[in-house]
Amino acid sequence: DIVMTQFPLSLPVTPGEPASISCRSSQSLLQSNGYNYLGWYLQKPGQSPQLLIYLGSIRASGVPDRFSGSGSGTDFTLKISRVEAEDVGVYYCLQALQTPFTFGPGTTVDL
Amino acid sequence: QVQLQESGPGLVKPSETLSLTCTVSGGSMSGYYWSWMRQPPGKGLEWIGDIYVSGNTNYNPSLKSRVTISIDMSKNQFSLNLSSVTAADTAVYYCARYNSGWYYFDIWGQGTLITVSS
Repeated sequence: DIVMTQFPLSLPVTPGEPASISCRSSQSLLQSNGYNYLGWYLQKPGQSPQLLIYLGSIRASGVPDRFSGSGSGTDFTLKISRVEAEDVGVYYCLQALQTPFTFGPGTTVDL
Repeated sequence: QVQLQESGPGLVKPSETLSLTCTVSGGSMSGYYWSWMRQPPGKGLEWIGDIYVSGNTNYNPSLKSRVTISIDMSKNQFSLNLSSVTAADTAVYYCARYNSGWYYFDIWGQGTLITVSS
């Protein structure tokens, strides 16, 4: 199985300030088509996870442009340019390269 | 818009079989993989497995010996059976739609808490 790690596991944030979460995979998620099979999901308190970013850097429909994904191979980053209060929750990275799909342990973002 | 809704018993006894159904409304099941995931209380997410509309399945090897996923397109439903449950299977179970063309889970159910206890 591909092992996903994230850091930090807890991230206090201040509204209006930037924030960054890192994710690392135990093997490369880069395919010959140039895409990294890495997604980012946010689970707000009491809710189901929601898709933020797919294929490493593509924002899902309706996701604010303050969210951006970058990285390639085994190292990836989710950045929030200016945190808003509604961004609190647990952020997960997910590898979709091969089954079993595996999630990172999650990063809890709170104010 | 497509919505997913899990349904199940809530409480299952140890050694019995957990059975859940996910009902898909607002759209067709064609062209997608339909997945089950779970989240133990206070913990992270685990992918259990999925099924394509053809009936082809993929399972997490850690659960493969106990898991069966099936689909009934006439009812717009897919189901999860997990046998020989223990307290370690207590979790919120989610169904989700997987887009295999773009490699993401785009629609999730609200989740249902299943507790394994006598």
